[in-house]
Amino acid sequence: GAVVSQHPSRVICKSGTSVKIECRSLDFQATTMFWYRQFPKQSLMLMATSNEGSKATYEQGVEKDKFLINHASLTLSTLTVTSAHPEDSSFYICSARDLNSYGYTFGSGTRLTVV
Amino acid sequence: KNQVEQSPQSLIILEGKNCTLQCNYTVSPFSNLRWYKQDTGRGPVSLTIMTFSENTKSNGRYTATLDADTKQSSLHITASQLSDSASYICVVSAGGWADKLIFGTGTRLQVFP
Repeated sequence: GAVVSQHPSRVICKSGTSVKIECRSLDFQATTMFWYRQFPKQSLMLMATSNEGSKATYEQGVEKDKFLINHASLTLSTLTVTSAHPEDSSFYICSARDLNSYGYTFGSGTRLTVV
Repeated sequence: KNQVEQSPQSLIILEGKNCTLQCNYTVSPFSNLRWYKQDTGRGPVSLTIMTFSENTKSNGRYTATLDADTKQSSLHITASQLSDSASYICVVSAGGWADKLIFGTGTRLQVFP
């Protein structure tokens, strides 16, 4: 079945630094990838939609200059949290839409802790 | 407003017992409904996907039902196992087959021995 690899699974960084999270579709091509944020005991909240070769579409209230998204190929999208602050600490999850089956496959998530 | 509501919020059952989780939605136009299992600290994993014309779909001990008229879905877990402890999320797709996903808040299931 479709597999999405997300790295790193956990990261701790200092305030003011930047962190990059990678999302790869391993066995299918994904023209569209999605980035979510999840707070404890809450459901996933869509942050942005990433389309290969074009700019990402951000949801209302999400700062595009803070959460930089790059979708350089059909199998890779990256989310960079710039100038991280403790309030950015959260669980970030990506998903990829299979071009052929239209199924959505989620990555395993990244736990970001900003100290 | 497109919404997906799940009940109960949390559920505790003993190993070996059955349980049923509920999902009500007000999403238009409706495309399909998905159930996901999310273990703590992990990404969601797909259990079932149902389109408008499908009433039921099974995946091992998981059976999902869909009533498109009443806009309700259920996920039935048979002979629960400790590994079933997780959050179960109902997700409805609005618009085309691969359009915007509307997430429910999830049901947190705990299975005790």
